[in-house]
Amino acid sequence: DTGVSQDPRHKITKRGQNVTFRCDPISEHNRLYWYRQTLGQGPEFLTYFQNEAQLEKSRLLSDRFSAERPKGSFSTLEIQRTEQGDSAMYLCASSLADPGAGELFFGEGSRLTVL
Amino acid sequence: GESVGLHLPTLSVQEGDNSIINCAYSNSASDYFIWYKQESGKGPQFIIDIRSNMDKRQGQRVTVLLNKTVKHLSLQIAATQPGDSAVYFCAENIGFQKLVFGTGTRLLVSP
Repeated sequence: DTGVSQDPRHKITKRGQNVTFRCDPISEHNRLYWYRQTLGQGPEFLTYFQNEAQLEKSRLLSDRFSAERPKGSFSTLEIQRTEQGDSAMYLCASSLADPGAGELFFGEGSRLTVL
Repeated sequence: GESVGLHLPTLSVQEGDNSIINCAYSNSASDYFIWYKQESGKGPQFIIDIRSNMDKRQGQRVTVLLNKTVKHLSLQIAATQPGDSAVYFCAENIGFQKLVFGTGTRLLVSP
């Protein structure tokens, strides 16, 4: 499978715990995006990388959230001291940096439930 | 599987009918638009895109219309099938940096 893969697909945690999600983008894509989606809403932009550089972060990304893409390939999204409001689907997407190819390819998402 | 968008606007059609899903976008500077389909428990899947210098683009069974004057986008699905049942999102892109998604529409296709 050469699509975007995310792990884990589901995570249940207790409030206050830390969680980490991993995303492996399509191999030739140098842009990687993180989105959050809650029930009944469209995906909301969190942050994106071009290669290993994090170019933009949304105001939604509080200090408890950190994303990395150390070698310009896979990325991790860590949430520290989780809160119930963090419960959502975390979607990763990748794309080519070429402005003529704006399509984002999404993974299946990592669903987080904070109890 | 878990439902996406329990409180979304819903369009119910019969199999074989044509469906039209509408979207209003917010930024007149947006230069690229995409329609995505999202099935329950899955990530969004690309359907069709259109650039701001076009007003119509056709794919297989789908057509996207763009009206920049009123900032309106529509997705037409011909001969709708039960497999088309999903939530549909439009997304706008400014400068090919990131996509901003609109509120989705749930399409229910009855056999």
